[in-house]
Amino acid sequence: GNSVTQMEGPVTLSEEAFLTINCTYTATGYPSLFWYVQYPGEGLQLLLKATKADDKGSNKGFEATYRKETTSFHLEKGSVQVSDSAVYFCALWARDDKIIFGKGTRLHILP
Amino acid sequence: DAGVIQSPRHEVTEMGQEVTLRCKPISGHNSLFWYRQTMMRGLELLIYFNNNVPIDDSGMPEDRFSAKMPNASFSTLKIQPSEPRDSAVYFCASSQGEGGYTFGSGTRLTVV
Repeated sequence: GNSVTQMEGPVTLSEEAFLTINCTYTATGYPSLFWYVQYPGEGLQLLLKATKADDKGSNKGFEATYRKETTSFHLEKGSVQVSDSAVYFCALWARDDKIIFGKGTRLHILP
Repeated sequence: DAGVIQSPRHEVTEMGQEVTLRCKPISGHNSLFWYRQTMMRGLELLIYFNNNVPIDDSGMPEDRFSAKMPNASFSTLKIQPSEPRDSAVYFCASSQGEGGYTFGSGTRLTVV
């Protein structure tokens, strides 16, 4: 079946550090891939998405590239801010089915 | 658009009482999802509807849980009777069917 595996947290970085959160997936066919973010006390929000191989999703300085050959969709940001502290969820959607979420990675950014 | 609206934001109830959580999805979205989030179990899908019809309720933990969607603009999740282990944040989300979910702000339920 379809599944998503993402690195366990928490991840703690200093402000302006480079961020990578790894995500790999297993799916039949050609799923769409997503990163969602959950700030404290809020629901999940769509951060970025990619719908086909080699697509790059980007938003708020975050980027992720759909790599079919490595079945990966790693989230990156060149310079993190304290306001990026949140829980990040990798997810996939395989047409006509519900989204499959990863377990989430908690990110702490220290000033 | 006001987004997905959930009520109440917080609910504290005594064990054995009935609890009803409410959700208003985004107009035009044809899928609605109920999730539960806890520290121990993470984010769990309880049930989802497509065009007001329940499609998959395999995540509903027990018969104490029930969900309805009487029309396209309203859904409820009911727990009767409630137990302390039901304490969690319950999220409603809606979608147009292309994987982009919009989540509500959640209802934090505490059963004492």
